[in-house]
Amino acid sequence: QVQLKESGPGLVQPSQTLSLTCTVSGFSLTSNSVHWVRQPPGKGLEWVGAIWSGGSTDYNSALKSRLSISRDTSKSQVFLKMNSLQTEDTAIYFCTYYGYWFAYWGQGTLVTVSS
Amino acid sequence: DTVLTQSPALAVSPGERVSISCRASEGVNSYMHWYQQKPGQQPKLLIYKASNLASGVPARFSGSGSGTDFTLTIDPVEADDTATYFCQQSWNDPTFGAGTKLELK
Repeated sequence: QVQLKESGPGLVQPSQTLSLTCTVSGFSLTSNSVHWVRQPPGKGLEWVGAIWSGGSTDYNSALKSRLSISRDTSKSQVFLKMNSLQTEDTAIYFCTYYGYWFAYWGQGTLVTVSS
Repeated sequence: DTVLTQSPALAVSPGERVSISCRASEGVNSYMHWYQQKPGQQPKLLIYKASNLASGVPARFSGSGSGTDFTLTIDPVEADDTATYFCQQSWNDPTFGAGTKLELK
């Protein structure tokens, strides 16, 4: 049974760095990719980036300069780090299991950027 | 980026048929997928690769299209279908439509 669960701080101060963890079960990170998608409150979905089964990464071009995605396969965890946070980065951040479509989603974690 | 355009909202009566459209700014082959999202929940995959029903999704949902024009159809609509529906393409870096909010009369 595929499961994903996001964790991280609910509140981040402007200009600081966001660190999120996605813990997965039911599949192997070395055989499947995990993506991050975010959703500002009341708005649509935005693809953030991905880590592929081989460990390579892809990022949304609008976020690329601030973003890093990595993983620890031994712990079945994927990490997202985004620096220089601004209020417009306030959103629910989801991690998802991807096979050309987002078949499974975590419940999401709300990140609020505020002083 | 491939831009996906959806109509913002629709209102239908239970038992009716509704079609939700999604137009891509460039061809995406058949790599268009549909999701349902209810308030406070994560998106749920309904249709993958334009016309394939995801596991556990009722056969009332169907998808069609290729290239740049795609449609999600619900027939018949039930009260529980009140939600926002998003299309998403994966021919290029993934992008989503802005969503169509379906309300029942």
